[in-house]
Amino acid sequence: KAGVTQTPRYLIKTRGQQVTLSCSPISGHRSVSWYQQTPGQGLQFLFEYFSETQRNKGNFPGRFSGRQFSNSRSEMNVSTLELGDSALYLCASSPPRAGGTDTQYFGPGTRLTVL
Amino acid sequence: AQKVTQAQTEISVVEKEDVTLDCVYETRDTTYYLFWYKQPPSGELVFLIRRNSFDEQNEISGRYSWNFQKSTSSFNFTITASQVVDSAVYFCALRGGSARQLTFGSGTQLTVLP
Repeated sequence: KAGVTQTPRYLIKTRGQQVTLSCSPISGHRSVSWYQQTPGQGLQFLFEYFSETQRNKGNFPGRFSGRQFSNSRSEMNVSTLELGDSALYLCASSPPRAGGTDTQYFGPGTRLTVL
Repeated sequence: AQKVTQAQTEISVVEKEDVTLDCVYETRDTTYYLFWYKQPPSGELVFLIRRNSFDEQNEISGRYSWNFQKSTSSFNFTITASQVVDSAVYFCALRGGSARQLTFGSGTQLTVLP
């Protein structure tokens, strides 16, 4: 099976712009989670989507949003970019929950640089 | 609240040495799951192992082994006969039974020197 794919891999934006990142989960996986990784804060949970519904949300401002499509692909959007939004954004997918099997498998990430 | 502590920020060893990465966790959940991930320079988090709170059996996979001790809330990871390709950042993570997201430790940068 192909792994989790994320596009684009690298992105450079300027302050005030907005950005959309895309994630395609492993085939058959219906849950998609997003994480932000920065040197200062480490890996932090952004949100999780399952069957096109946001199931869980981390402690991030409303500038961070996401959605999931019927094919389980997910996008996240960051509006009014700030310098502090520069980070590696990781997407993870997990299979339908069955017997507690719920490991998250990560994609290669999108490295966003805000100038 | 859940918390994962990886006290070792950086470890450097010479190839073929054994190395243990420490992980201590905190959770109020009685059912929880522990994970280890490897992050090479490419950035992708590679899943290594998952352990359920009700299964304290230690596990060995090739040169990798994991020691889970509920009494000390620790889930340590040992690499035997380390290799240069093991150089990466290793993350320990926790998911409580009531939570959907992973809580990560700060990671340990392992450098294996030839």
